[in-house]
Amino acid sequence: EPEVTQTPSHQVTQMGQEVILRCVPISNHLYFYWYRQILGQKVEFLVSFYNNEISEKSEIFDDQFSVERPDGSNFTLKIRSTKLEDSAMYFCASRWLIRTDTQYFGPGTRLTVL
Amino acid sequence: AQTVTQSQPEMSVQEAETVTLSCTYDTSESDYYLFWYKQPPSRQMILVIRQEAYKQQNATENRFSVNFQKAAKSFSLKISDSQLGDAAMYFCAYRSGGGDDKIIFGKGTRLHILP
Repeated sequence: EPEVTQTPSHQVTQMGQEVILRCVPISNHLYFYWYRQILGQKVEFLVSFYNNEISEKSEIFDDQFSVERPDGSNFTLKIRSTKLEDSAMYFCASRWLIRTDTQYFGPGTRLTVL
Repeated sequence: AQTVTQSQPEMSVQEAETVTLSCTYDTSESDYYLFWYKQPPSRQMILVIRQEAYKQQNATENRFSVNFQKAAKSFSLKISDSQLGDAAMYFCAYRSGGGDDKIIFGKGTRLHILP
């Protein structure tokens, strides 16, 4: 069964450094998402992406965040200058076409900012 | 704005018994979707079951079923014949049928299975 994959599974970085989290959505899916989960808290929406542009973003998704689909398979989340409070689990999700389609989640990347 | 509330931070159930996890939500929309996601220790988010608000019939998936009460805005998950592999964090979630495409999650209920 096709699945969403994410790399790396765990990333450790120093405060102020840039990180890029990578996702490979399910191959025929057209809508892509990033969510994050700070340890012990609920999962929060960050951004949705369709047709090579952001379709929706939350207040969390400020100027230090950016997303990109650099080729036909990858979907990336970049954090320009990481802060301690960016430490969290980051989940990528994708869905096919119709609004009723389910969003499928990847296994997540655990980001630790020191 | 829509909200999802899970009032039980933790629950325990004996193996092979039945357990019900509670969820309430608040929305002014009539068209929406509700979900239960499971997050085992590996932290991957796995879809357990989904319910379309326009459907009166409660969704079922094998040992998992929901009790969807639209008027009361309640969406509980029943797990029958609990197994050790069911131990996980369970998140109730909401998605609008139009407009916003994002999923809104509750805070989760940690389910322990007692052997």
